[in-house]
Amino acid sequence: LAKTTQPISMDSYEGQEVNITCSHNNIATNDYITWYQQFPSQGPRFIIQGYKTKVTNEVASLFIPADRKSSTLSLPRVSLSDTAVYYCLVGDGDNFNKFYFGSGTKLNVKP
Amino acid sequence: SQTIHQWPATLVQPVGSPLSLECTVEGTSNPNLYWYRQAAGRGLQLLFYSVGIGQISSEVPQNLSASRPQDRQFILSSKKLLLSDSGFYLCAWSGAGVPDTQYFGPGTRLTVL
Repeated sequence: LAKTTQPISMDSYEGQEVNITCSHNNIATNDYITWYQQFPSQGPRFIIQGYKTKVTNEVASLFIPADRKSSTLSLPRVSLSDTAVYYCLVGDGDNFNKFYFGSGTKLNVKP
Repeated sequence: SQTIHQWPATLVQPVGSPLSLECTVEGTSNPNLYWYRQAAGRGLQLLFYSVGIGQISSEVPQNLSASRPQDRQFILSSKKLLLSDSGFYLCAWSGAGVPDTQYFGPGTRLTVL
């Protein structure tokens, strides 16, 4: 089972680009990488998902190197409302029905 | 569109009392269903998941149990609550696809006194 490691917390300022890296050394061939955002007292919300190289949507980009042992979530021009916990999640390659959340990264955006 | 409901939103229970939390999903069929628990300031811990009616897999041995009496209904129960059962309980669903996104409910804040 692939486990993930993320920084516990990060600080940033409004308008900056934020990159959060997640390590998943034991990622399986069939595993996808998914990132979620969670605000206090709410359930996590899907941000982005990828398998390899780069994925971009309207809110973030996800960079995955060729060896797939890590991934980086990139948030462009963060605002105060991006203050949240960000989770890196690697799907169970043997059973896509099971997902395990990492410890999460608490992003604090300052004015 | 799909929606997921959880109730109650908050609950305060004495130690030793029973528990029943309910989760229902609308707008989809045969979803995978999940129960997570989140202690204060911590990450999410997967408790149970289900791929179909009556099919429950437990991730963490404890005094909690789960049941899926209907396709889109998932129930978390306990016969006797412990102080350590306090936390934020989240229900989620995903499609049967590979690998589908999980969609979370609003959660239930449980305090055991």
